[in-house]
Amino acid sequence: QVQLVESGGGVVQPGRSLRLSCAASGFTFSSYGMHWVRQAPGKGLEWVAVIWYDGSNKYYVDSVKGRFTISRDNSKNTLYLQMKSLRGEDTAVYYCARDPGYFNSSGYCDYWGQGTLVTVSS
Amino acid sequence: AIQLTQSPSSLSTSVGDRVTITCRASQGISSALAWYQQKPGKAPKLLIYDASSLENGVPSRFSGSGSGTDFTLTISSLQPEDFATYYCQQFNSYPYSFGQGTKLEIK
Repeated sequence: QVQLVESGGGVVQPGRSLRLSCAASGFTFSSYGMHWVRQAPGKGLEWVAVIWYDGSNKYYVDSVKGRFTISRDNSKNTLYLQMKSLRGEDTAVYYCARDPGYFNSSGYCDYWGQGTLVTVSS
Repeated sequence: AIQLTQSPSSLSTSVGDRVTITCRASQGISSALAWYQQKPGKAPKLLIYDASSLENGVPSRFSGSGSGTDFTLTISSLQPEDFATYYCQQFNSYPYSFGQGTKLEIK
């Protein structure tokens, strides 16, 4: 069965960096695009970024452009989100999610991880 | 960026009720819309994609319709497990975006 397990969250000071990981299993990771979606405490969902199955294309929400980098290691079945210059408004649960497009990008998310909490605070 | 506006933001309903949630896009998005259900402390769950396609395993009481700028999610007969928050998401153009959510509460 498809499993996505995020890790790397925690408390970090404003301006610092953090890298999130998402370990995938139960499917051929290298054939699917992947998304990051976040949710601030008590708030709605915010789409953050997507990376295509081969890493050839990456897209971001404007609020994280230039600060966050999505990447993947298909040999390790792992998705990453490198976050730099963190701000208070980045505080959220970060979910990784699979795009169901096979060697393509469908744009929505069919499987989700349980999320990892990032708290940006001094 | 495309904005999605859901209405209502919250709704008090009863088991057995027919419920309709609306999602309006700030510009045309063809049929590039998905609907998700989220329960407290849990990850979202995909219900509908491509505006009207039912995800495998999702009960048939859920249905989606619309294209262009106006979309609806309908639950034909609300069940106890359906009390949750629902989100629409557009994937017509980057950056993708979600609506603000609609919370279904027990009357």
